[in-house]
Amino acid sequence: GQSLEQPSEVTAVEGAIVQINCTYQTSGFYGLSWYQQHDGGAPTFLSYNALDGLEETGRFSSFLSRSDSYGYLLLQELQMKDSASYFCAADPYPHASGGSYIPTFGRGTSLIVHP
Amino acid sequence: GAVVSQHPSRVICKSGTSVKIECRSLDFQATTMFWYRQFPKQSLMLMATSNEGSKATYEQGVEKDKFLINHASLTLSTLTVTSAHPEDSSFYICSARGRITDTQYFGPGTRLTVL
Repeated sequence: GQSLEQPSEVTAVEGAIVQINCTYQTSGFYGLSWYQQHDGGAPTFLSYNALDGLEETGRFSSFLSRSDSYGYLLLQELQMKDSASYFCAADPYPHASGGSYIPTFGRGTSLIVHP
Repeated sequence: GAVVSQHPSRVICKSGTSVKIECRSLDFQATTMFWYRQFPKQSLMLMATSNEGSKATYEQGVEKDKFLINHASLTLSTLTVTSAHPEDSSFYICSARGRITDTQYFGPGTRLTVL
């Protein structure tokens, strides 16, 4: 089985940088994904790490350390519209199989951005 | 990115009626579709995983006779909530994953309210 831990809430001000951590305990871990969800909306994919290191996509970056069972999402130049819930999700099996491997989601981190 | 649609977006029904929710992948073939439910301020709870042409795999505690899932084609999966009760009121979200993409793409969700 898998379990993921992430903070329940993070607050920051506009223009700041914020890091949302995610630690996982899994069997057969393969990769870590991050999703953003605004109130009343569905999750949208942000990034994915299968290898150790940093993946950068615009203002958002995601990091993975497999040896530490740890990853984080880094949001730079925060904007009010970044206020949302952020979920990390762990994949248990390699993607290439095309099988119905089942990702596990963390409980989500509510990010509140203040003016 | 890939597009997944969900219909209806919102439904209000009387207790005892059945409700069908459709999930479609619009620009890719979804070999696997996932159905989640989400209560306010909580994480996504996986209900079942469905592969095209085969029976859905339900998570522990999810009644398969109450939540009927059909994945009849590579672009369509349906979830039918049978004999809905007020406690079934929730946000139901589908996601789809194709043969090639490593990413889950989420539908916009369906908010079900059972009176």
